[in-house]
Amino acid sequence: GEDVEQSLFLSVREGDSSVINCTYTDSSSTYLYWYKQEPGAGLQLLTYIFSNMDMKQDQRLTVLLNKKDKHLSLRIADTQTGDSAIYFCAARPYSSASKIIFGSGTRLSIRP
Amino acid sequence: DTEVTQTPKHLVMGMTNKKSLKCEQHMGHRAMYWYKQKAKKPPELMFVYSYEKLSINESVPSRFSPECPNSSLLNLHLHALQPEDSALYLCASSQGVAGNLQGEQFFGPGTRLTVL
Repeated sequence: GEDVEQSLFLSVREGDSSVINCTYTDSSSTYLYWYKQEPGAGLQLLTYIFSNMDMKQDQRLTVLLNKKDKHLSLRIADTQTGDSAIYFCAARPYSSASKIIFGSGTRLSIRP
Repeated sequence: DTEVTQTPKHLVMGMTNKKSLKCEQHMGHRAMYWYKQKAKKPPELMFVYSYEKLSINESVPSRFSPECPNSSLLNLHLHALQPEDSALYLCASSQGVAGNLQGEQFFGPGTRLTVL
């Protein structure tokens, strides 16, 4: 089945760009998502990308997809303290349209 | 309205209690989900309802009983829980589960459950 992996921690300076990386194993995954979770809150959908796209940009967020390497990244430009959160990468396997498989989450901390 | 609401926000219950968690969405979504999330872990899928019918049960113990009274509401009935069931319970909804849909799931804020 699908397996999604992320590094656990990332620390960046305020104002710099953050890049959170994710790898997945199922090349048939059709949609890939990024969710943000602040402490004590639910998951907020930030953006998603369809598997036939290489890049998607939405304001400060840029998603890059390398389908050959099964690698997904989320770049946050001009990182602010409000960006501190856990970021989950998730993949939707073609074989199971009702399930999305989450990575373990990357905790982003911002230093002044 | 692009919101999924959940009540209560916090719940403390004893192992002999019966309680229910509630979830509501008014986005016209036809798929609804229950997830369990332990601290510092990703959400784990428990149940999926599609068009008000249970389509996935991820081998969840019978002390958790889901119910979908209509397309906007989803309940999770709790009975005889164990302390290890303490977690954040998240509800989500999506347009549907057909393969041609984007399938993005919208999450509620969760119910923080503590079992004593």
